[in-house]
Amino acid sequence: DAGVIQSPRHEVTEMGQEVTLRCKPISGHDYLFWYRQTMMRGLELLIYFNNNVPIDDSGMPEDRFSAKMPNASFSTLKIQPSEPRDSAVYFCASIGGSPTSGANVLTFGAGSRLTVL
Amino acid sequence: GQNIDQPTEMTATEGAIVQINCTYQTSGFNGLFWYQQHAGEAPTFLSYNVLDGLEEKGRFSSFLSRSKGYSYLLLKELQMKDSASYLCAVNTDSNYQLIWGAGTKLIIKP
Repeated sequence: DAGVIQSPRHEVTEMGQEVTLRCKPISGHDYLFWYRQTMMRGLELLIYFNNNVPIDDSGMPEDRFSAKMPNASFSTLKIQPSEPRDSAVYFCASIGGSPTSGANVLTFGAGSRLTVL
Repeated sequence: GQNIDQPTEMTATEGAIVQINCTYQTSGFNGLFWYQQHAGEAPTFLSYNVLDGLEEKGRFSSFLSRSKGYSYLLLKELQMKDSASYLCAVNTDSNYQLIWGAGTKLIIKP
């Protein structure tokens, strides 16, 4: 398996522009997570999906952020309009199997490094 | 509230042993994970504990005490490639709601 695939790896944009980050989870994984990582705040959960349905989006910072998962193999995180404080590395991660087994491993994509000027 | 504490930074010598501690206060507990993250890369899974005791995996071991809300990651025979950040994360419920520590940056010196 190719693992969790994210694109783009790097994005530099200007304030006010729309940014779309993409993720392809590992085939068969039914949970998908979007995280944001910064030096100041560490790793923050933004939203996660189970079987393509958003379960908890309480971590989404504000209405400028939205996420979709139209099918089991694709998800997007959109920021519109973008602001300099959105600059961070955005990770997508997926996991499969019963949460109560506990031993299933959360696998991260390589991340999308976003810089908003 | 929910909180995970780890030391910000540690330094150790190549070939030595280092222990990275993690203490947690969470509303629920369904397992504790350790991840390694090299600079500029994604976190990768190292170990998982759900029951009290020690889990050994090669040069790395992880310990858990649920009653004390405490875990540690033990790295033996340190190599330069072990220089990375080590993240502790607690699964607080049955839906993979992981709470993450800020990470411990481990610096290995020759």
